[in-house]
Amino acid sequence: KQEVTQIPAALSVPEGENLVLNCSFTDSAIYNLQWFRQDPGKGLTSLLLIQSSQREQTSGRLNASLDKSSGRSTLYIAASQPGDSATYLCAGTFSSNTGKLIFGQGTTLQVKP
Amino acid sequence: DVKVTQSSRYLVKRTGEKVFLECVQDMDHENMFWYRQDPGLGLRLIYFSYDVKMKEKGDIPEGYSVSREKKERFSLILESASTNQTSMYLCASSALNRGTEAFFGQGTRLTVV
Repeated sequence: KQEVTQIPAALSVPEGENLVLNCSFTDSAIYNLQWFRQDPGKGLTSLLLIQSSQREQTSGRLNASLDKSSGRSTLYIAASQPGDSATYLCAGTFSSNTGKLIFGQGTTLQVKP
Repeated sequence: DVKVTQSSRYLVKRTGEKVFLECVQDMDHENMFWYRQDPGLGLRLIYFSYDVKMKEKGDIPEGYSVSREKKERFSLILESASTNQTSMYLCASSALNRGTEAFFGQGTRLTVV
């Protein structure tokens, strides 16, 4: 069974710190991996998409990496700000399914001023 | 700007009512999805559709049905609402190619009383 796991469930850091969020998956036949942000009571906002042929993607202060052989992806946030406080979800699409996203449980990040 | 729009942000319905949740996307995407999100359980796939009039069950289809009569619109139907269907419902769309990005609507918070 394909599973996506995010640890820790919650993280609290002081403003300005660089941080890494982790995502692991059980099936190395991953097609792509997507990182999302969710604010309380809201929908999901797409942050970064990494194709299986790519190693990383960058957008502003965000950098996401993908290592298929180890079954891991990381989301690096540089110089964190209080506005980065949200839940971050990773989701994979695997070769055996039809575009369905399989989600991790998310990491809730709090950045303290 | 790409857009997935869900018809309601908040809904309150009575037990036994038939409930329709509507989702419209303007990106000409083939794939559309309905997820529900519950604390501690994460996002779970209810149904998805990869073409007009085509549908496939997700992980938790019981108590739900779907309709896709037009490419841009995907409806989730609760045949007889029950209190255990109180949840956040999220609609998403993506292009047919599995490598493309998925986009989500703003979510519908449904309360069944």
